Amino acid sequence: AQSVSQHNHHVILSEAASLELGCNYSYGGTVNLFWYVQYPGQHLQLLLKYFSGDPLVKGIKGFEAEFIKSKFSFNLRKPSVQWSDTAEYFCAVTNTGGFKTIFGAGTRLFVKA
Amino acid sequence: DGGITQSPKYLFRKEGQNVTLSCEQNLNHDAMYWYRQDPGQGLRLIYYSQIVNDFQKGDIAEGYSVSREKKESFPLTVTSAQKNPTAFYLCASTQGGRGDTQYFGPGTRLTVL
Repeated sequence: AQSVSQHNHHVILSEAASLELGCNYSYGGTVNLFWYVQYPGQHLQLLLKYFSGDPLVKGIKGFEAEFIKSKFSFNLRKPSVQWSDTAEYFCAVTNTGGFKTIFGAGTRLFVKA
Repeated sequence: DGGITQSPKYLFRKEGQNVTLSCEQNLNHDAMYWYRQDPGQGLRLIYYSQIVNDFQKGDIAEGYSVSREKKESFPLTVTSAQKNPTAFYLCASTQGGRGDTQYFGPGTRLTVL
């Protein structure tokens, strides 16, 4: 069965620290990969996505993610976090051409000012 | 502004009652989705609809029903058969459906007393 695994459920960082959130998926076909973010009190929204091409994708607010096909991974990174990055982050996978998206369990990030 | 609206934001019902959650979009998107979000479990797909008058079960459809009579609307009914209905429910839509970015509504928090 398809699945998405996020390595950390809770992460606490100080401002200016670097961030890396792990995401691994299990699916044998071609996939589209996403990171969504849910800021406190706001809608779940797209942070970045990978469909094809350059495996290093950049998103909003200085986030980036790298697709490593051989490792079935799509880790999210940010060199220096801010207090405003406090949110819950979800990795998601859709098989290309499909309608079903599988979400990871989410990672709650708290950034201390 | 285009987007997805869900109402109500908070909903309380007595055990054994059916309840219908509203989801409306003005994005002219073809596909619509219902997810259930529980702490530590991410988003799980309940139902999705690719086009009007058609819908498919997701991973946790038992105890739920939907209809798609209009492109803009995709209401979800939580029936008394759903064993653990208290949760946060999210509606989403995609333009083409095929692996596209999902746009989410603000969610409805249902509490069954």
